[in-house]
Amino acid sequence: DGGITQSPKYLFRKEGQNVTLSCEQNLNHDAMYWYRQDPGQGLRLIYYSQIVNDFQKGDIAEGYSVSREKKESFPLTVTSAQKNPTAFYLCASSIGWTDGYTFGSGTRLTVV
Amino acid sequence: GENVEQHPSTLSVQEGDSAVIKCTYSDSASNYFPWYKQELGKGPQLIIDIRSNVGEKKDQRIAVTLNKTAKHFSLHITETQPEDSAVYFCAAVTGNQFYFGTGTSLTVIP
Repeated sequence: DGGITQSPKYLFRKEGQNVTLSCEQNLNHDAMYWYRQDPGQGLRLIYYSQIVNDFQKGDIAEGYSVSREKKESFPLTVTSAQKNPTAFYLCASSIGWTDGYTFGSGTRLTVV
Repeated sequence: GENVEQHPSTLSVQEGDSAVIKCTYSDSASNYFPWYKQELGKGPQLIIDIRSNVGEKKDQRIAVTLNKTAKHFSLHITETQPEDSAVYFCAAVTGNQFYFGTGTSLTVIP
């Protein structure tokens, strides 16, 4: 079945460590996105990518980095520079710019 | 930039009743309005969407209406069931940017 897979589902990180969240899709979608979700807040865009080897900063990119070496993959690295990284992270993809997103099931990151 | 407001933030209804969630947007250039349902611990799922050249769209018990003049759109769920309990997000799309509302937590009481 086609879909978008995020792993791991839960992730614990010590302060000062970088951590990478995986996002893989087999939908042949060109565009991919990373969002952060905090309780009581809407979805905030971290980074997005239109095509391979190209990506753009979203509204809250500071402390995060991404890569898009393959169409299917868009990993997100949460660096030690991110001051408040504990959150639920959602990856999404879409066929084009004005099409509905397909979301992954999310990764809950907790800094301990 | 676009500003999307969503109301109410929480909503409780009796099973079988209707639920309505409203969103307003500020940018008249927004032309695509999807709605997502998010169950606990899961990612949001697209449940219905509408484009700016349409005033209403229906899919079984779910419908969305759009008033471009007033810049608001609404999600209507009829004959609610316990499995409709979830958080619902609206979004307004301008160009290549999605702007999400802050979500409505819907509880359907059996």
